[in-house]
Amino acid sequence: EAQVTQNPRYLITVTGKKLTVTCSQNMNHEYMSWYRQDPGLGLRQIYYSMNVEVTDKGDVPEGYKVSRKEKRNFPLILESPSPNQTSLYFCASSLGGGGTGELFFGEGSRLTVL
Amino acid sequence: GEDVEQSLFLSVREGDSSVINCTYTDSSSTYLYWYKQEPGAGLQLLTYIFSNMDMKQDQRLTVLLNKKDKHLSLRIADTQTGDSAIYFCAANDYKLSFGAGTTVTVRA
Repeated sequence: EAQVTQNPRYLITVTGKKLTVTCSQNMNHEYMSWYRQDPGLGLRQIYYSMNVEVTDKGDVPEGYKVSRKEKRNFPLILESPSPNQTSLYFCASSLGGGGTGELFFGEGSRLTVL
Repeated sequence: GEDVEQSLFLSVREGDSSVINCTYTDSSSTYLYWYKQEPGAGLQLLTYIFSNMDMKQDQRLTVLLNKKDKHLSLRIADTQTGDSAIYFCAANDYKLSFGAGTTVTVRA
């Protein structure tokens, strides 16, 4: 089954404790992206990747890191989480670039930073 | 980047039509999309329209595009309780930009 898998789905952590949210897709997609969803603000792009070893900042990259060492995986790293990073995070992938084609989304990871 | 705006809430009676509106700023957008997010789930593509089209119909869904006014709408005919969700409008320039999402509540 074609899917984008994120883990963990739910996480409560404390300020400053490094964490990683994993994302994996099984569709051989070149493009992958991370979004955060906040009430009234919709989806804002954090980072995206056009292919292996190619990553770029989205609209709200501060406080986040990503890597793309393999085509299928695109982890999101919070080196020193802060309460303003409490949010719902989505990973997405598509066959082509982010401007065209269908984006396939994971089910989301709800992060709470105390 | 592109600015995409949509109203935040819509309440509709079961069996009526729902109309969700969206405006965007970049006239060079090639594709415009509607995504649906059900509770506790990620977004799923509902439908899309090419910028050279005025209208697209897909079963109960009708998408209307007014390029001159940069206005996109989604009409859902015979709205059902299963249509309760958040609907996101999205437009592309060099990347996909999403609106804030319209929460549709279907009441009996």
